[in-house]
Amino acid sequence: EDKVVQSPLSLVVHEGDTVTLNCSYEVTNFRSLLWYKQEKKAPTFLFMLTSSGIEKKSGRLSSILDKKELFSILNITATQTGDSAVYLCAVEVPGTYKYIFGTGTRLKVLA
Amino acid sequence: KAGVTQTPRYLIKTRGQQVTLSCSPISGHRSVSWYQQTPGQGLQFLFEYFSETQRNKGNFPGRFSGRQFSNSRSEMNVSTLELGDSALYLCASSLGQGFTYEQYFGPGTRLTVT
Repeated sequence: EDKVVQSPLSLVVHEGDTVTLNCSYEVTNFRSLLWYKQEKKAPTFLFMLTSSGIEKKSGRLSSILDKKELFSILNITATQTGDSAVYLCAVEVPGTYKYIFGTGTRLKVLA
Repeated sequence: KAGVTQTPRYLIKTRGQQVTLSCSPISGHRSVSWYQQTPGQGLQFLFEYFSETQRNKGNFPGRFSGRQFSNSRSEMNVSTLELGDSALYLCASSLGQGFTYEQYFGPGTRLTVT
């Protein structure tokens, strides 16, 4: 069965710290992986990754995909309290247009 | 550009009743996907519609159904509600089908079944 596993499940850091969130998947031949940030409401889109080894950046956030080793990481540098959220990754099931989501990493950034 | 909208935002129903949730995608988006989110199971895919046709379905019982209209708006129906159906129901829209299209989520409908 296709599976997406995120680690750690939860994380508490202080403002200014750098964090690395992991997403590993057991979905072969997938074509895209998505990262989302979910606060109290709907997930908001962060990144879509389709190619291995190409880093995507947006401000203090960056993400990279390793298709060979079947994982992705999301880095957040100089964390702020506003980064506190659940971070979700999702992998597309090959040949379909549906995504399997991991259960998320809950990040709490303390002032 | 307005985002994805969902109505109603909150709903309380009793077991055995049925419910219909609505999703209006971002203007120009033609694909709508529905997800169920619960604390125990996380986000789980329900189904996806494109051009008024259901293209994909997740592992949910037949009590869960949906449809899409010609203006891309979508509705999801759950019949014979069970306590376990209490969840946040999210819809997401994208320009088209395919892995190159980003999905944008609506705020969700929180359904409580008593």
